[in-house]
Amino acid sequence: KAGVTQTPRYLIKTRGQQVTLSCSPISGHRSVSWYQQTPGQGLQFLFEYFSETQRNKGNFPGRFSGRQFSNSRSEMNVSTLELGDSALYLCASSFGRSADTQYFGPGTRLTVL
Amino acid sequence: DQQVKQNSPSLSVQEGRISILNCDYTNSMFDYFLWYKKYPAEGPTFLISISSIKDKNEDGRFTVFLNKSAKHLSLHIVPSQPGDSAVYFCAATSAYAGNNRKLIWGLGTSLAVNP
Repeated sequence: KAGVTQTPRYLIKTRGQQVTLSCSPISGHRSVSWYQQTPGQGLQFLFEYFSETQRNKGNFPGRFSGRQFSNSRSEMNVSTLELGDSALYLCASSFGRSADTQYFGPGTRLTVL
Repeated sequence: DQQVKQNSPSLSVQEGRISILNCDYTNSMFDYFLWYKKYPAEGPTFLISISSIKDKNEDGRFTVFLNKSAKHLSLHIVPSQPGDSAVYFCAATSAYAGNNRKLIWGLGTSLAVNP
């Protein structure tokens, strides 16, 4: 079974731009969660999608948004990028609830200049 | 406020010895705990979990102990191997959260196993 894939792996943007990251979950998994990882803050939960519906949301500003498609693939978008948005963005899929065992992709390393 | 705390940012252990990684939590409603391991440039991978109805769970070289009264859990790796060198994350969740159930993560402990 193929694992969770994320594209692109690396991205460089400038302040004010917007970015879209993509995640393809493991086949059969219906839940996709997104995390932001920075050195000092660990894994910060962004949001979770299940069957195309946002089921849970972390404490991030509205510039961070996401969606899930009928095939469970998910995208997250960050608008009006700030320097502090530079981080590793991780996507995780699970069969059911996000608190079940999650399987992570390799992440997208976003650098905002 | 950090509900899941891993107070040791790093740990260094000799190959063949025991590695003990600690995790404390503040929310008494947490009832399920997980450990993940993360290598550089990769996403975290699930290692082992424990439910609050148990105080120990073992899987090969990895054992997790849970002390509910102290709100403390630990991951023991015996014997430690150089390939265990990674960042270890502790995570917790609560079934009582219902639809808002999500994993709460610690900041991680970087383990270095020296040959």
